[in-house]
Amino acid sequence: AQKITQTQPGMFVQEKEAVTLDCTYDTSDQSYGLFWYKQPSSGEMIFLIYQGSYDEQNATEGRYSLNFQKARKSANLVISASQLGDSAMYFCAMREARKDTGRRALTFGSGTRLQVQP
Amino acid sequence: DVKVTQSSRYLVKRTGEKVFLECVQDMDHENMFWYRQDPGLGLRLIYFSYDVKMKEKGDIPEGYSVSREKKERFSLILESASTNQTSMYLCASNRPVAGGETQYFGPGTRLLVL
Repeated sequence: AQKITQTQPGMFVQEKEAVTLDCTYDTSDQSYGLFWYKQPSSGEMIFLIYQGSYDEQNATEGRYSLNFQKARKSANLVISASQLGDSAMYFCAMREARKDTGRRALTFGSGTRLQVQP
Repeated sequence: DVKVTQSSRYLVKRTGEKVFLECVQDMDHENMFWYRQDPGLGLRLIYFSYDVKMKEKGDIPEGYSVSREKKERFSLILESASTNQTSMYLCASNRPVAGGETQYFGPGTRLLVL
């Protein structure tokens, strides 16, 4: 079973509009973390935002916010006022303890390609 | 700023060759990671290391080995490259602190095995 599911392989949005990228996750841990990364065409992975499982407030970083719904196990990324430079692949990831060793590592979703149109 | 560097951006090798991918970080991070990225599959963890000479298998370690002789350097080794190892390889590092544990990534190496 997939641990991180991103159901939107591709999304289009008009410049200056808001867009929501979906992410659902599966874990039996009580303590875990959720991350969003951006990967432009150049290939580097850029950290955007983090949400801890015990955080009561939704995380925000500038134009990025994370809509965390713990009961539904979803962690959607909201980008407000889209810009052309937001066109990229976006990955949702979860940090949890590995079953075999207890060490914590990230598991990534398959990604969503966002294209911002002028 | 954290800097993670990888020895090559692009690499072309032949089937059966031994391939070394090098990763260096300058922030004294304990943890280092190797992922491969394939379209539609996202990033999958190959190996990670939580200390010098310590390593742990990730989700897809078959066909790979790693070496961490110094804290700042983590090498991925393909003992005998095969065409199904053509992929983008990403290195990352972080410090195992409670909370964010954000991973910082290198620019990636695009490996083509012919």
